[in-house]
Amino acid sequence: QTVVTQEPSLTVSPGGTVTLTCTSSTGAVTGGFHPNWFQQKPGQTPRALIYNTNNKHSWTPARFSASLLGDKAALTLSGVQPEDEADYYCLVYYGGHWVFGGGTKLTVL
Amino acid sequence: EVQLVESGGGLVKPGGSLRLSCAASGFTFSSYVMNWVRQAPGKGLEWVSIINFDSTYMRYADSVKGRFTISRDNAKNSLYLQMDGLRADDTAVYYCGRDKDWNIDIWGQGTLVTVSS
Repeated sequence: QTVVTQEPSLTVSPGGTVTLTCTSSTGAVTGGFHPNWFQQKPGQTPRALIYNTNNKHSWTPARFSASLLGDKAALTLSGVQPEDEADYYCLVYYGGHWVFGGGTKLTVL
Repeated sequence: EVQLVESGGGLVKPGGSLRLSCAASGFTFSSYVMNWVRQAPGKGLEWVSIINFDSTYMRYADSVKGRFTISRDNAKNSLYLQMDGLRADDTAVYYCGRDKDWNIDIWGQGTLVTVSS
């Protein structure tokens, strides 16, 4: 059973920078796992932010960026805004099926 | 406008069945792989199932394998999830999502399935 792990919670100050990571129990997350990142605010549908490791959608704010950091996928928020407070999920492809990470609750305080 | 609209959720007894639908509009449905994802109350997202363009490839999460069946009708721009042998831990909001080249970009608003006696 593949497990994808994220930090359960992180806190960042407004205007600050924070990096969320996504780790696979099978080993390093590489581009071949096509990591996606999603944002979900309370009571709302998940919103896609990043696909294929580091590609932004047309609606993704410029302050969001993603990359591979060592053996993990990473989502970085620079110049964090109060409206960025949300749950963030990574999604990783394992050759035929997807697995979500457990999610990171980001608090902006 | 690109849109996915789920329907078919509701209250069902343990062991019962339910069929969810996802109606697509605003894009060429037959060009996209489609997924079902669910979210139990207060919990994270869980990928459930995937189907390719022409229904020749389907995969399921271990938690639903043998109980759920994904299908699609490209002529009707519709995706389905037949859920049999429902259990209390299947209670969740079920979302459909479109997927092209490992890019899941659009989700429906979700439909709530409650399994309870």
